[in-house]
Amino acid sequence: ETGVTQTPRHLVMGMTNKKSLKCEQHLGHNAMYWYKQSAKKPLELMFVYNFKEQTENNSVPSRFSPECPNSSHLFLHLHTLQPEDSALYLCASSLDLSSGSRKLFFGEGSRLTVL
Amino acid sequence: RKEVEQDPGPFNVPEGATVAFNCTYSNSASQSFFWYRQDCRKEPKLLMSVYSSGNEDGRFTAQLNRASQYISLLIRDSKLSDSATYLCAVNRGNDKVIFGPGTSLSVIP
Repeated sequence: ETGVTQTPRHLVMGMTNKKSLKCEQHLGHNAMYWYKQSAKKPLELMFVYNFKEQTENNSVPSRFSPECPNSSHLFLHLHTLQPEDSALYLCASSLDLSSGSRKLFFGEGSRLTVL
Repeated sequence: RKEVEQDPGPFNVPEGATVAFNCTYSNSASQSFFWYRQDCRKEPKLLMSVYSSGNEDGRFTAQLNRASQYISLLIRDSKLSDSATYLCAVNRGNDKVIFGPGTSLSVIP
């Protein structure tokens, strides 16, 4: 049973829709991450938050907007997406960003399809 | 050159075989290293960290060679349940944990 839960598990949206992905971790961690996993491609880091502060934006288009209201919750707001944004979006957490604490615990992912 | 590269695979091995996966990384400032396992249509799960002196967890042995910027994972006595994609991950010491593309393993009865 995962300590990181993501909702929804599946999402189909049109290019003009606005939707949000939600992630919640119950592990007492302080760092949270969004990764994108497309077919046949490696996991791509999108955003990193540490103690609610964004520490990394890996050149992600502005149609993806993260929000981290506290250390346990992370959102990814989606707006005006493109079909090539269809992918599995994985949330992860780690204790913090120190080198010895970078073991990532992933949620089950939100599979997004953009029509 | 990709920052983290792995054997392309797939690896198809019989039960009981020993199989080794390799991973290379390009950033010499990388500080910590991990192997993850990802089952089909599931999330990645941490398999083991990789320490400088090498480390073992049951049938799994991980090795790190900082000079060559290379890590490996050895699986002995393969089980059917070992079939999965194995992902190498590297912490560059900033905020990024970078994953390799993964190597697919199928253990055949």
